[in-house]
Amino acid sequence: GQSLEQPSEVTAVEGAIVQINCTYQTSGFYGLSWYQQHDGGAPTFLSYNALDGLEETGRFSSFLSRSDSYGYLLLQELQMKDSASYFCAVRDNYGQNFVFGPGTRLSVLP
Amino acid sequence: GAGVSQSPSNKVTEKGKDVELRCDPISGHTALYWYRQSLGQGLEFLIYFQGNSAPDKSGLPSDRFSAERTGGSVSTLTIQRTQQEDSAVYLCASSMGGLANEKLFFGSGTQLSVL
Repeated sequence: GQSLEQPSEVTAVEGAIVQINCTYQTSGFYGLSWYQQHDGGAPTFLSYNALDGLEETGRFSSFLSRSDSYGYLLLQELQMKDSASYFCAVRDNYGQNFVFGPGTRLSVLP
Repeated sequence: GAGVSQSPSNKVTEKGKDVELRCDPISGHTALYWYRQSLGQGLEFLIYFQGNSAPDKSGLPSDRFSAERTGGSVSTLTIQRTQQEDSAVYLCASSMGGLANEKLFFGSGTQLSVL
């Protein structure tokens, strides 16, 4: 089966940088995705890493190390609107459904 | 449509009643997923449809849960004899399908409350 671990909560101040880690255990691996979900809202796609290294999209970056079964989401220049839950996700070993981590609740303080 | 549409947005039902939740995926998306999310929790996989292939039902928690997808488009999730522990937000997502398409588009969900 698959399992993913994330910190349950992270707190940071506006303008800061925060890193949300994700470790995973899978029988097969196709890539690591990240989603953002505001309270009461739907999850929205942020990024995807299939290969080792850093992918940058604006203020958000995502990193993957396949050998360490580890990835992280890096949020820079934090804004209040970044307060949300962040989920990492991997495909299952048959490349079918997506398994999500438990989520990390980010609180950005003024 | 422009996005994934789910209906109803809220459903309150009595324990023991059956409910049907509907999902309209993005036009052209061949993959459709159902997830369940309890308050403050992660997303629990329920079922996955890909094109005309047999659905992956491995996440359905009991035989009271079933889902179908008609014409490769609209999907209905049915919960029979609802229980209080079924109360959650039921999320539907669709994607282009295939291993190269990692982006899921989610609907706003159906908040199910079983009294």
